Amino acid sequence: EAGVAQSPRYKIIEKRQSVAFWCNPISGHATLYWYQQILGQGPKLLIQFQNNGVVDDSQLPKDRFSAERLKGVDSTLKIQPAKLEDSAVYLCASSLGASFTDTQYFGPGTRLTVL
Amino acid sequence: KNQVEQSPQSLIILEGKNCTLQCNYTVSPFSNLRWYKQDTGRGPVSLTIMTFSENTKSNGRYTATLDADTKQSSLHITASQLSDSASYICVVTRYGNKLVFGAGTILRVKS
Repeated sequence: EAGVAQSPRYKIIEKRQSVAFWCNPISGHATLYWYQQILGQGPKLLIQFQNNGVVDDSQLPKDRFSAERLKGVDSTLKIQPAKLEDSAVYLCASSLGASFTDTQYFGPGTRLTVL
Repeated sequence: KNQVEQSPQSLIILEGKNCTLQCNYTVSPFSNLRWYKQDTGRGPVSLTIMTFSENTKSNGRYTATLDADTKQSSLHITASQLSDSASYICVVTRYGNKLVFGAGTILRVKS
């Protein structure tokens, strides 16, 4: 079974530039998550999708971050404009459903460096 | 406030030795607790999951314990191997499927 795919793996941009990350979840997984993991900290949930609908985006900085899940499969996360404090690893995860017993499977992450 | 605290922050042990990582939480209402292993440059991978009624769960050389009364969990690694070098993250799920992550313990196994 293929895992969660993410691209790019690494990205370096200057502040105020835009960047986009892509995620392809495990086939058949209805729930998709984007997390931000700052060095030395645990992941922080940015947004959760159930199919192509948003379930939770309470911690998404909506003035600069946006995300969509096209046709309930792939997802993109965009930052515009980027700030220095956005430097982090952005993890995508997926699960079969949104039940608390459903295991979240994580992708390898995209490491973003903002200069 | 819903928090998960892990200790120690980092740990270095010799190959073949055992070690125990700690997790204290104040998350409520509690649904389950997971331990994840995160290799450098990779996403976290679930090792164990325990619900309120379970107090121990094993996965190979990894054994997790849970004391729901004191809100403490531990992850014991037996006969450590170089490949155990990673960050170990304690994650508590609240009802409503909200995950609360600890900051992780960085384990380094030396030969």
